[in-house]
This record gives sequence, structure tokens and C-alpha cells, in this order.
Amino acid sequence: QKEVEQNSGPLSVPEGAIASLNCTYSDRVSQSFFWYRQYSGKSPELIMSIYSNGDKEDGRFTAQLNKASQYVSLLIRDSQPSDSATYLCAAARGGSYIPTFGRGTSLIVHP
Amino acid sequence: DAGITQSPRHKVTETGTPVTLRCHQTENHRYMYWYRQDPGHGLRLIHYSYGVKDTDKGEVSDGYSVSRSKTEDFLLTLESATSSQTSVYFCAISETGAMGSNQPQHFGDGTRLSIL
Repeated sequence: QKEVEQNSGPLSVPEGAIASLNCTYSDRVSQSFFWYRQYSGKSPELIMSIYSNGDKEDGRFTAQLNKASQYVSLLIRDSQPSDSATYLCAAARGGSYIPTFGRGTSLIVHP
Repeated sequence: DAGITQSPRHKVTETGTPVTLRCHQTENHRYMYWYRQDPGHGLRLIHYSYGVKDTDKGEVSDGYSVSRSKTEDFLLTLESATSSQTSVYFCAISETGAMGSNQPQHFGDGTRLSIL
């Protein structure tokens, strides 16, 4: 059973702080990882993909992957109230086109 | 934004009636998916397609059928809707990347379906 686990939250951070969202996965052969943002009542929107161990930065977002420990994280620097949303983590095996999604972490950024 | 259109966006119907949801893409992507999303359950895969007329079941396929007669269209049908199928339905598409790498899914705006 492939599982992707996320703390449901809510994670509450003040505006301007770093928000750290974590995700663990059970399938050791997962090779591709994705973070999505979902605003209430909207569809999931891709933020980042990461395939290799280490950090990947895109603007205020940094994804971190550690395959040995089977976790992937998303850091949001200088958090803004507009970042308040649910963040979904997904993992997929190499060659698989069906990712496994976590249930998401709710993030609240308060002014 | 990925060119994905779901229709209808909202629908209210009665138990026992047939319902068809449509997903249309303009990206020419090979893979298409139907998910439902319910509080406490996250995204759950209903059916998916890996090509024209090639479909397979996901984890919650009971009570649903799909068809894909053209690359751009993927239909989800509830043959006889039940109240337990009240949900938000998302279509997603994806494509194989270079060297066979996984590419992320992109989602449509969703259909909010209420079955009374």
C-alpha cells in the first residue's frame, strides 16, 4: 500500500515567517514528487516538482527531498496571507503516471 | 494554464438519474484522470485513461464508468446516481516527460455535483 502522509494542520504562521510543510512517503521506489496548492473551493495548482535529492528553489518556495529518509518538504519564505491554502504532496514511482496524494496540510498565514 | 475544461461546473440532480461529466483538453496529453474530493478523504482516483479507448479503474470506481473516444475528451458517467456520489469531481491530465520521467498532473476547475 503506497501512502503519502501529511499533517492535516492547520499550521499557523505569522506574516513574513517561514512556513515549513512536511510529507513522508512509504513507497521506497518513488522517484517524482509534487507540491500542489489548493485554495478553498478551487482546484489543485502545481507549485513545484522535484526529482533529485536536495533543494530546489523557485521564488519564495523551496522543495527539499531526502530519499533515504523518505520525506519531502516545502518551505515558503516571507509567508503572505495569500499563501493561506491547503498544500497537497504527491509521489509517483518512476514510469508510473499515477501519483499517490497526501490528504494535505492546511496553512494559515495571519497578519 | 493547462487547457482543461470541465462541464458542467455545477449540477444538482436526483437519486437514480444518470449523470455525465465531461472533461475536454486542448494540450494533446496522453493521460487523463477523474478524481473525487471529499472532506476527510482527500483526492481519490475514480478512473483513468492512458490513450483513446484505453481506460482502467482507480480506487473508487464502483458506480462510475468512463469513455474516451477522442484524445481530447474524457467522460465520466454515473449510471444511477446515489447521494454518496455527492462530491467535487476533478479532471486531470498529464504527459510523459523526457526520458520517460513523470510529469505532474494539471487539474481542471472541477464540477460540484449534488445528488438529492
